Amino acid sequence: GQQVMQIPQYQHVQEGEDFTTYCNSSTTLSNIQWYKQRPGGHPVFLIQLVKSGEVKKQKRLTFQFGEAKKNSSLHITATQTTDVGTYFCAGGDYKLSFGAGTTVTVRA
Amino acid sequence: DSGVTQTPKHLITATGQRVTLRCSPRSGDLSVYWYQQSLDQGLQFLIQYYNGEERAKGNILERFSAQQFPDLHSELNLSSLELGDSALYFCASSVILGNGEAFFGQGTRLTVV
Repeated sequence: GQQVMQIPQYQHVQEGEDFTTYCNSSTTLSNIQWYKQRPGGHPVFLIQLVKSGEVKKQKRLTFQFGEAKKNSSLHITATQTTDVGTYFCAGGDYKLSFGAGTTVTVRA
Repeated sequence: DSGVTQTPKHLITATGQRVTLRCSPRSGDLSVYWYQQSLDQGLQFLIQYYNGEERAKGNILERFSAQQFPDLHSELNLSSLELGDSALYFCASSVILGNGEAFFGQGTRLTVV
């Protein structure tokens, strides 16, 4: 079955720095979604990517879907303390399979 | 507020017991997903329903079962509970299968003692 892998598992970032988290699927995805879960909270939808090579931006967040639709990335620029949390990608088949997530901590 | 309601928010029970977790999806959402999140773990997909029918199963234990009722609310039944079943159980809903935003409830934190 489809597996979605995320790296790194943990990302410790200095405030103001950039970082990228990656998502890889064993199979081609119809779409990919990204979610953010704040500590003690529930996952909240960030974005969905559908087209091969698609790039979408939300302020300091840039999301990319690979040409083969088997990988995706989330790049955050100028990290802020509000970026703390776990970022999950989810494969867009009907099961909505989540990766293990990248947990981000920020050093002020 | 996501519009997805899960009850109860917290549940403490003893090993061997049975519990039922309830989820009311957003108005108009036909698809309901159940996930288990253990401490510092990712979201493990358990089961999915669409308009009353089971559509997909993950690594759900035989001791666990679920259903979606005609009014579209869903229940997750956990029986013969073990200490390892202690986790946060999330319900999510979406309008259609596997496409578009899924809205998560606040979760039910289950503690088995």
